[in-house]
Amino acid sequence: GAGVSQSPRYKVAKRGQDVALRCDPISGHVSLFWYQQALGQGPEFLTYFQNEAQLDKSGLPSDRFFAERPEGSVSTLKIQRTQQEDSAVYLCASGIAEAYNEQFFGPGTRLTVL
Amino acid sequence: GENVEQHPSTLSVQEGDSAVIKCTYSDSASNYFPWYKQELGKRPQLIIDIRSNVGEKKDQRIAVTLNKTAKHFSLHITETQPEDSAVYFCAASSLSGANNLFFGTGTRLTVIP
Repeated sequence: GAGVSQSPRYKVAKRGQDVALRCDPISGHVSLFWYQQALGQGPEFLTYFQNEAQLDKSGLPSDRFFAERPEGSVSTLKIQRTQQEDSAVYLCASGIAEAYNEQFFGPGTRLTVL
Repeated sequence: GENVEQHPSTLSVQEGDSAVIKCTYSDSASNYFPWYKQELGKRPQLIIDIRSNVGEKKDQRIAVTLNKTAKHFSLHITETQPEDSAVYFCAASSLSGANNLFFGTGTRLTVIP
């Protein structure tokens, strides 16, 4: 079956622009996570959804970052007024259910802020 | 929160030799420990995982061991092949809370033909 997909795969933004990154999780997966991966580092947690409910957003680095999953499937991560330090790969992962830890990752969106 | 440390940061081995990567974690509530392989520009792929109710798990050439008392776990790859070359990440999570993964900083494994 189809895995987690993300779009766009690459995004170049000028500093100050707003961007929106999309994640299509595996069909039926309840849990959805966003991670930020800086170059040469491990992924770092940003936010977590269980269905449409955003249960944890403690990893979002600033109020410029906003995520939503209005119908409990597709999710969008929005970054307002992008800064150079926002340049990273943004990974989405989905999981079967709350009681299971396994997470399946998408290919990521590489964001470059000039 | 959880803190996961991973060593070494780089590892080079001859084809056919074994590779061992070690991780420690800080939160005793963590109970799930996956290992991901990430090739350049690709998504992290789960290669093996272990839960805290077992001490060892093996899948062909890959094995993971867990020492809950010492809070460390290790990845063992035997009979390494050039296609094993990648960055490997360990991670830890707990069923309490968001289940989000806390990742180590990665180990770049190079298998020399």
